[in-house]
Order: sequence, then structure tokens, then C-alpha cells
Amino acid sequence: AQSVTQLGSHVSVSEGALVLLRCNYSSSVPPYLFWYVQYPNQGLQLLLKYTTGATLVKGINGFEAEFKKSETSFHLTKPSAHMSDAAEYFCAVSSAQGAQKLVFGQGTRLTINP
Amino acid sequence: SQTIHQWPATLVQPVGSPLSLECTVEGTSNPNLYWYRQAAGRGLQLLFYSVGIGQISSEVPQNLSASRPQDRQFILSSKKLLLSDSGFYLCAWSVHSDQPQHFGDGTRLSIL
Repeated sequence: AQSVTQLGSHVSVSEGALVLLRCNYSSSVPPYLFWYVQYPNQGLQLLLKYTTGATLVKGINGFEAEFKKSETSFHLTKPSAHMSDAAEYFCAVSSAQGAQKLVFGQGTRLTINP
Repeated sequence: SQTIHQWPATLVQPVGSPLSLECTVEGTSNPNLYWYRQAAGRGLQLLFYSVGIGQISSEVPQNLSASRPQDRQFILSSKKLLLSDSGFYLCAWSVHSDQPQHFGDGTRLSIL
């Protein structure tokens, strides 16, 4: 079975500061990893994904994440936070098997302070 | 390009009433389709998924059911709603296991 743990249900940073959202996963097979962002009352939008290849993946809006197999982590970072980054962020894991069932973390609400 | 449509956007229903939420996908064939529920302050829970017409897999026992009458249509239903069915329901699609799922804008369901 697969699982995802997002450390910190709420993260608050100042505008212009580094954003770091933590995600650890558990998977018995090579994982596919995703970060999604959700703005209030909207669906989820894909930020970035890791399937195979380069372990540092870049996504939209200046976000990037690094797959670290030894640490079973896929933390999301952005060098400089912008007010528009305030949203809920979800890390998710799936595998190559079957119907690609995503297992989501509980989410991290990111607040940006002016 | 592919698009996904969910409706209605919001719905207020009394306890014990029936439910039908619809999701359609355009611009792709034979997608995998998914229904998720997001309760207030919680993550997403997979309710149902479908790999083809008439093929439905249920992830959790509950008061809801799903159907896929056409290749790109996915319906979430209930005969009698419970208060615990309140939440934000999201439909999603994907085509390959290494590709991301794409989500609709969701339906906010409130049960009174």
C-alpha cells in the first residue's frame, strides 16, 4: 500500500522568502509523485510531477521538487514566495500498476505574509 | 485540447433526497475516470474509479454509487443523502499511469 505524509498542515512565510513544503511517501514499488495546488473552491491544478529520470523537477509558477529515494521524500520549494502562492498544496503518490490510483497527503495550507 | 466539466458547481439538498452529479470529459478517448470527496479541512479521498464503460471500482463502503454509461461520462449518485455526504466532490481523468490526473472544478454539496 502507498501513503503520503505532509509535515505541517499550515505553513506561513513572508513574501519573498523561501517556500518549503514537506512530503514523505511510502511505496513498495517505484513511485510516481505529484504536487497539486488548490485555490479556494476550485479543483486541483498540477504543479509538477516525477515519474522517472531527473530527480529535480521543475514545475509551473517557479516551483520545483526533488525526489530523494533514500529519504523517501519529495519536498516542494520555491526560492521567493509571492502573494499569489497562498493556497492549499497536496502531495500525491501513485504507481505504474493498474488504474493509477492517487493517494493524497492531507494537504498544507500556505499563507504568505506581506 | 482536453477539458473536463462538472456540474452543478454548488448544490444544497435535504437529508434523504437523491443525488446525481455529472462529469464529462472532452478531447480524449477511453480515459480513466475518478470521483473524489474532500471533507472540510481534510485531504482527498478516492471514492470510485473507472477504467472503461460500465466498469466501476469502489474504494470505500458508503452511501454513494457511480456509473459510467458512456466513455467520457461519469455519474455519482445516491438514493438517500446523509448529513455525512456533505463535502466537495471532484471528478478527474487520466490516460496513462505516468501522467497526472486532471481535475474538474468540483461540486460543493451541502446537506441540510
